[in-house]
Amino acid sequence: DTAVSQTPKYLVTQMGNDKSIKCEQNLGHDTMYWYKQDSKKFLKIMFSYNNKELIINETVPNRFSPKSPDKAHLNLHINSLELGDSAVYFCASSQNPWGSLDTGELFFGEGSRLTVL
Amino acid sequence: AQSVTQPDIHITVSEGASLELRCNYSYGATPYLFWYVQSPGQGLQLLLKYFSGDTLVQGIKGFEAEFKRSQSSFNLRKPSVHWSDAAEYFCAVETQAGTALIFGKGTTLSVSS
Repeated sequence: DTAVSQTPKYLVTQMGNDKSIKCEQNLGHDTMYWYKQDSKKFLKIMFSYNNKELIINETVPNRFSPKSPDKAHLNLHINSLELGDSAVYFCASSQNPWGSLDTGELFFGEGSRLTVL
Repeated sequence: AQSVTQPDIHITVSEGASLELRCNYSYGATPYLFWYVQSPGQGLQLLLKYFSGDTLVQGIKGFEAEFKRSQSSFNLRKPSVHWSDAAEYFCAVETQAGTALIFGKGTTLSVSS
């Protein structure tokens, strides 16, 4: 039973299209994240939600819109896709973002590889 | 701003040889420190973490890391590398401000027979 699952695993689309990536965690965690891994494997935080509330919103184009319908789900919608959006997008979760000894231990999904043509 | 540096982009080690992957961080206080491993086509898996206390921490798969405050380093070691250790290794830090993990750019480990 996968702890953090993302769909789809692969996504190939044309420039200008709109696409979504879904993420679900069954760990009972309060906090979820989206990370982007570029072609050089550099991982950068995009968003973080704690109990459905946005707590981290890095400098990301507003074409990217996260949505958290409940604390077990965090979806990523991307409008007007551009070539530079091609990357692997990782969803992750953690128990609590602040103050506890569990801080920072992330559980990652397997990633969603987005290719924009 | 906080940052993490992994000076080695790619390292090749013979199977059975020892390994050390370097990580340096920039932060005024002691952050929470982590090492993650990413196997090809997979997500990241936590190897070990340091919050406080003993500066030598043990992790999974036979890995250990040592925190050295004077050098702002958190180097990962393994005494004898196995071919299955070939992967991408990421050092990461989290400050006590509650920000998300900041990752280094990773070190690719290749294991030769």
